[in-house]
Amino acid sequence: QLQLQESGPGLLKPSETLSLTCTVSGGSISSASHYWGWIRQPPGKGLEWIGAIYYNGNTFYNPSLKSRVTMSIDTSKSQFSLRLSSLTAADTAVYYCARRLSSSWSHFDSWGQGTLVTVSS
Amino acid sequence: QSALTQPRSVSGSPGQSVTISCTGTSSDVGGYNYVSWYQQHPGKAPKVMIYDVTKRPSGVPDRFSGSKSDNTASLTISGLQAEDEADYYCSSYAGGQSYVVFGGGTKLTVL
Repeated sequence: QLQLQESGPGLLKPSETLSLTCTVSGGSISSASHYWGWIRQPPGKGLEWIGAIYYNGNTFYNPSLKSRVTMSIDTSKSQFSLRLSSLTAADTAVYYCARRLSSSWSHFDSWGQGTLVTVSS
Repeated sequence: QSALTQPRSVSGSPGQSVTISCTGTSSDVGGYNYVSWYQQHPGKAPKVMIYDVTKRPSGVPDRFSGSKSDNTASLTISGLQAEDEADYYCSSYAGGQSYVVFGGGTKLTVL
């Protein structure tokens, strides 16, 4: 059974950089059949797609966040990561990592439990 | 990049059917057959209920169905059950800049 687990700091200050890691177990992160992505959800609000990365490092980012987002993947550790710079209070959200089928752009079939990131001075 | 438009809330009684709409543009919903629907219960991660407009993952009851007409996708839940009460989100591929856009979410209340 595939499992994804987010890890990273829960509290950051404005202007700092968020670094989150998603550890994948029970399946191969090097699968050509899947992309690995990040989605966030501000408290009480809707979902926002942040971006996705392929096992070979190919990335796609949300145009509205592109200037602040960097994603990377370490297949040897079965991990992929998100960096989001220049944080503001608007970045406060639950951050989910998820697996997406290569054949279907919006089909995220497996999700982590999510991790709350709060940006506050 | 605007979110897809969903009604804020819908409701129905057990056994009834409800339909949730998701309106986009020809650059997203209308242009590609990559619309998915997610169910989210409070405090939980979303769960995919429909993908590629009409396909249902294994384990999802056939009470859930999807469709699309022009720039609007729809999720229909028939034979409503209490456990269907949740938030529902649509999502779509938005070509051009190759990204995914979500709807604002719809709260389904089972009366």
